Amino acid sequence: GQSLEQPSEVTAVEGAIVQINCTYQTSGFYGLSWYQQHDGGAPTFLSYNALDGLEETGRFSSFLSRSDSYGYLLLQELQMKDSASYFCAVRIYNQGGKLIFGQGTELSVKP
Amino acid sequence: GAGVSQSPSNKVTEKGKDVELRCDPISGHTALYWYRQSLGQGLEFLIYFQGNSAPDKSGLPSDRFSAERTGGSVSTLTIQRTQQEDSAVYLCASSLTGTGGNTLTEAFFGQGTRLTVV
Repeated sequence: GQSLEQPSEVTAVEGAIVQINCTYQTSGFYGLSWYQQHDGGAPTFLSYNALDGLEETGRFSSFLSRSDSYGYLLLQELQMKDSASYFCAVRIYNQGGKLIFGQGTELSVKP
Repeated sequence: GAGVSQSPSNKVTEKGKDVELRCDPISGHTALYWYRQSLGQGLEFLIYFQGNSAPDKSGLPSDRFSAERTGGSVSTLTIQRTQQEDSAVYLCASSLTGTGGNTLTEAFFGQGTRLTVV
């Protein structure tokens, strides 16, 4: 089967840097995505790694290493508004593009 | 429309009744997904459509759950004989395509339908 593992929660202070890891067990996928969900809101797309390496989008960066079955989301210069749940996701090759998500990491940013 | 639209936004129903949840994807999006999210939990995959066909129905929890998509657009998720454990937020998402290794597969989510079975 396929599964993605994430820490359930992370706490950090404003201005700090935090890394949210995602390890996966899946036979083949198109790429690793990250989504953000605020309480009561819909998940929104943050970033996508099709290839190994680092992708940077403003304060957020995402990394993928297929050989290590591992990826992470890096959030810099944390702000209170970054408090949310963060999900990694993959789209499976041999299931027509089925998109599956990890269980999510709840990030709490403290002043 | 501008985004993915789901209706109703909230639904309270009595145990044993049938409910129908609707999803209007972004125009032109061929891929459509249904997920279930319980309070504080992750996104549980239910079913995925590519056009009108469903390559993967493996996530439907029981035969009380069914979904269809017509005209490559609107989708309905039907839950028959609802049970209290069906209470959750049901999220729909769409993307331009379901396959391919690029950002065209970014999924856009609706605000969800909060289902409460009493």
